[in-house]
Amino acid sequence: AQTVTQSQPEMSVQEAETVTLSCTYDTSESDYYLFWYKQPPSRQMILVIRQEAYKQQNATENRFSVNFQKAAKSFSLKISDSQLGDAAMYFCAYRSRSGGSNYKLTFGKGTLLTVNP
Amino acid sequence: NAGVTQTPKFQVLKTGQSMTLQCAQDMNHNSMYWYRQDPGMGLRLIYYSASEGTTDKGEVPNGYNVSRLNKREFSLRLESAAPSQTSVYFCASSATDYSNQPQHFGDGTRLSIL
Repeated sequence: AQTVTQSQPEMSVQEAETVTLSCTYDTSESDYYLFWYKQPPSRQMILVIRQEAYKQQNATENRFSVNFQKAAKSFSLKISDSQLGDAAMYFCAYRSRSGGSNYKLTFGKGTLLTVNP
Repeated sequence: NAGVTQTPKFQVLKTGQSMTLQCAQDMNHNSMYWYRQDPGMGLRLIYYSASEGTTDKGEVPNGYNVSRLNKREFSLRLESAAPSQTSVYFCASSATDYSNQPQHFGDGTRLSIL
């Protein structure tokens, strides 16, 4: 079974600076998807960014980018020019592409990001 | 554009009571999911429905039942609530269950069982 580990329960960053959230995963599969979700205090789960394992190019969405290291099974999220609205719990998630009963989204336990003004 | 709608948003039950959490999506998605979120545990899958007419157990199905009423609706039932089921419950949907299409989440239901 796949597992997702977020080793940083909490992180903090100064407004306008850059922060990187770590995520590692364990899988024997070669084809899969990875996601970062954001959960602000409102409790909504919001998709931040996604990466297909077969793509070597790292995904980027505005101020959010990932560093995907397939061999190391690492998928970190970089937030540039941090804003107060980025304060939230961030979840890394894994999804198999191979079908069967492994379609489910496996989440890490989350990293709570605080942004200081 | 409603997306995924969950009702109710909050509920308090007594041990042994039953309850059904409702979920509906208006995005014509095939797949729907129920998760629970507990402090320090992330989100864990309870049940999912890959398509209308099918349901499967997830990681933590004990004490729950589900019904995929139609393509839009997927309900979660607690037959005899226990304090260990105190949690925040999220419903989600996706276009399919095997693509890179993300899951879209509802706003959650905070359930407390006394």
